[in-house]
Parts: sequence; structure tokens; C-alpha cells
Amino acid sequence: QVHLVESGGGVVQPGRSLRLSCAASGFSFSGYAMNWVRQAPGKGLEWVAFISHDETDKRYAESAKGRFTISRDNSKHTLFLEMSSLRIDDTAVYYCARDGWVAATRTTFDCWGQGTLVTVSS
Amino acid sequence: DIQMTQSPSSLSTSVGDRVTITCRASQSISSFLNWYQQRPGKVPKLLISAASSLQSGVPSRFSGSGSGTDFTLTISSLQPEDFATYYCQQSYTTPYSFGQGTKLDIK
Repeated sequence: QVHLVESGGGVVQPGRSLRLSCAASGFSFSGYAMNWVRQAPGKGLEWVAFISHDETDKRYAESAKGRFTISRDNSKHTLFLEMSSLRIDDTAVYYCARDGWVAATRTTFDCWGQGTLVTVSS
Repeated sequence: DIQMTQSPSSLSTSVGDRVTITCRASQSISSFLNWYQQRPGKVPKLLISAASSLQSGVPSRFSGSGSGTDFTLTISSLQPEDFATYYCQQSYTTPYSFGQGTKLDIK
């Protein structure tokens, strides 16, 4: 059974940094691309970042470019999101989501963690 | 970037109703369109991929159709557990984008 568990969220001041982690189990982590998707309180879903299974391809939403870095440690089955220069509007629940990419569908977010809440506030 | 627009944003419905949600892309995305369900306080769940392919375990009352720029999600007979928010998402190209969501609530 696929299991994704995010951690690292919390309250942080604007301009500071935070590192999120996502521990994966129940599937061959090194064989899947992964994503981060966020949801501001009471709002819709927003894709944040993508990383290929072997880290050779990384992509970011415009809102994350230059401030967020996605990475992974396949030996530890863990996905990361390093966030810097945090802003008030980065406040959201951050979900890690497995990428169920196949040619017919391309990226789907086929399994999700429970999310970790990041609150940016002074 | 591709913009996804859903309509309606919200819908008051009843158990047993047939519901159709539409999703429009700002440019052609072929059939690279997925639908997600998010129940209140829960994690999003993938329902349909590639516009019309039902995920394993998803009830057959859910169906999807469309290609190019216009897509629909249909629930043939609403059940109590279907009252949720539904999102479309294009997987044609990054940045991946979601619609703003359609919330179904009880009339």
C-alpha cells in the first residue's frame, strides 16, 4: 500500500526558510517522478514542483522559481522541498504527490500524502 | 501557461441527481485532462485520467469526456459520499494547472 508522509511544516516568518520532507513507502520510490502540490486555506489546488525519478529533470511553478528547490534521496525514499524567501502567500498545506506518468495520460497525481501545513506570518 | 476554467463554481444538488461539471482549457490539451475529488477535510483523490479513463475502484456513475479544449465530468446519480469539490487538471505541459474547483453541496 502506497504511503506518503509529509513533515517539516510549521509557522515561519516572512523571508525565512523551511525544508519539507515526504517519506515514501509501499512502492518502488526510485522508479517514480514526484511532485509537490499546495492548497492555501479555503482555496484550490496549485502545482508547485516536479522532479523526475532520477533527478535529471526538475520543473517549477512560476511562484516557486528561484525560491524553492525540489530534491530527493532515493536511498532513503524521501522527497524534499527547500523553501526560501517565504512570503505570506506561501501559506498553504503542502502535499507530496506521486506522479503516475504513462504515455497515455502524462502526469497524474495518483497518490497523495496527508499534507503538512506551512504558515508564513510575522 | 494553460488556464483551466471550471463551471459552475458551486452547485446545490440532491441525492439521485445527474450532475455535469465542465472544464475548459485556454488552448488545446488533446486528452491530457484529469479529474480529482476532494471531500471536506480530506486529501484529493484521482478519479479520471486521460479525460475518460476511470481509475480502479471509482464507481461507474462517474464518467468523463472531451478532448481539445472542452471536457465534462458527469455523475449519473449523486450519492451522499459524492458531495465534495471536484478539480480538473491539465497534464499536457508544465506548469501543470488546475481548475478553480466545483463544489457540490446538498440542496
